[in-house]
Amino acid sequence: QKEVEQNSGPLSVPEGAIASLNCTYSDRGSQSFFWYRQYSGKSPELIMSIYSNGDKEDGRFTAQLNKASQYVSLLIRDSQPSDSATYLCAVNFSGTYKYIFGTGTRLKVLA
Amino acid sequence: NAGVTQTPKFRILKIGQSMTLQCTQDMNHNYMYWYRQDPGMGLKLIYYSVGAGITDKGEVPNGYNVSRSTTEDFPLRLELAAPSQTSVYFCASSYTIYSGANVLTFGAGSRLTVL
Repeated sequence: QKEVEQNSGPLSVPEGAIASLNCTYSDRGSQSFFWYRQYSGKSPELIMSIYSNGDKEDGRFTAQLNKASQYVSLLIRDSQPSDSATYLCAVNFSGTYKYIFGTGTRLKVLA
Repeated sequence: NAGVTQTPKFRILKIGQSMTLQCTQDMNHNYMYWYRQDPGMGLKLIYYSVGAGITDKGEVPNGYNVSRSTTEDFPLRLELAAPSQTSVYFCASSYTIYSGANVLTFGAGSRLTVL
């Protein structure tokens, strides 16, 4: 059973549109959630972290967390071709120092 | 500010050979991790460490060993290389924002091919 699930995509959106990326997780006690961006051939880099239910905004990025539904999402507003990358959801499972990643969603922003 | 440094960047091994992937961080982070990433897939946790002398298994530890004798270094050992270990390996270290909330900083990766 997968512990962190993401749709692998690719998700294609036109430039300027909103891209919506979703992630579900199996551990109801999880407290910390992260979104990483990974360009092809590069290492992952942190975009957002979220710890409380609700929305957290940082520039064009908004992370949304719903612990009751075990669901975390990332919205990218005004998508740019430079946002084309794989987006990885990571969850810190409760009572551990393990950070488990989903398989990632590949995003393509079409100019 | 070097961050997390991995060596080598590329390596080709023959089946049955052994090797060590090196990972060093200069940020005085307590937590260190090894992940592998197969093509088109996410990251799978191999081993992690919460401090010098303390290591624990992740999701896919079979075929690997680690040690953590210093805060800075966290080498990953492959004893008998197998084609299934062909992958890109990422080392990461982290600091604690608060209990249970660590932000991972990744190295550039080591691409290993086993033939």
